[in-house]
Amino acid sequence: AQSVSQHNHHVILSEAASLELGCNYSYGGTVNLFWYVQYPGQHLQLLLKYFSGDPLVKGIKGFEAEFIKSKFSFNLRKPSVQWSDTAEYFCAAGGGGGNKLTFGTGTQLKVEL
Amino acid sequence: GAVVSQHPSRVICKSGTSVKIECRSLDFQATTMFWYRQFPKQSLMLMATSNEGSKATYEQGVEKDKFLINHASLTLSTLTVTSAHPEDSSFYICSATSYSNQPQHFGDGTRLSIL
Repeated sequence: AQSVSQHNHHVILSEAASLELGCNYSYGGTVNLFWYVQYPGQHLQLLLKYFSGDPLVKGIKGFEAEFIKSKFSFNLRKPSVQWSDTAEYFCAAGGGGGNKLTFGTGTQLKVEL
Repeated sequence: GAVVSQHPSRVICKSGTSVKIECRSLDFQATTMFWYRQFPKQSLMLMATSNEGSKATYEQGVEKDKFLINHASLTLSTLTVTSAHPEDSSFYICSATSYSNQPQHFGDGTRLSIL
């Protein structure tokens, strides 16, 4: 069965600190990977996605993620976080963009001034 | 672009009532829509996948007679929670995608509270 694990449930950082959120997946066959962000009071928004090709994926707002197949991981990174990055971050895996997704439990990030 | 509108945003109703939630793709045609349920502090759990003009595919453990899904057009899918009970109280979220290899776009969700 497919599964996605996010190791950090709550993360608190100061502005300008570096961020890395862990995501591991268990998926049979070809996998597509996503990071979504949910800002307070808003809907889920796509941060970045990996379908194939370069395993280092760059997304919006300075975020990036690296697909490491041998580790079944797709960790999200940002070199310097801002207060406005305070949100909940979800990692998701699917077998194709239009196919159903399996979500991780989410990581609540709080960035303090 | 790629806006998904979900309505209503919040519903409070009595036990035994049926509640309909609408999910609309405003600026694209959604060949596939998905319905999720999210419990507090838990992940989104897929309930069903809906393709325009065909019956929805339900995930294991989801009662199709309880959660009726209709996807009558390329821009609208509805989820009806029939004879709702307090245990159906949850946050319901829809998403839509236009092509098989495109990411899903999410609605704002509906907070359903059954008294």
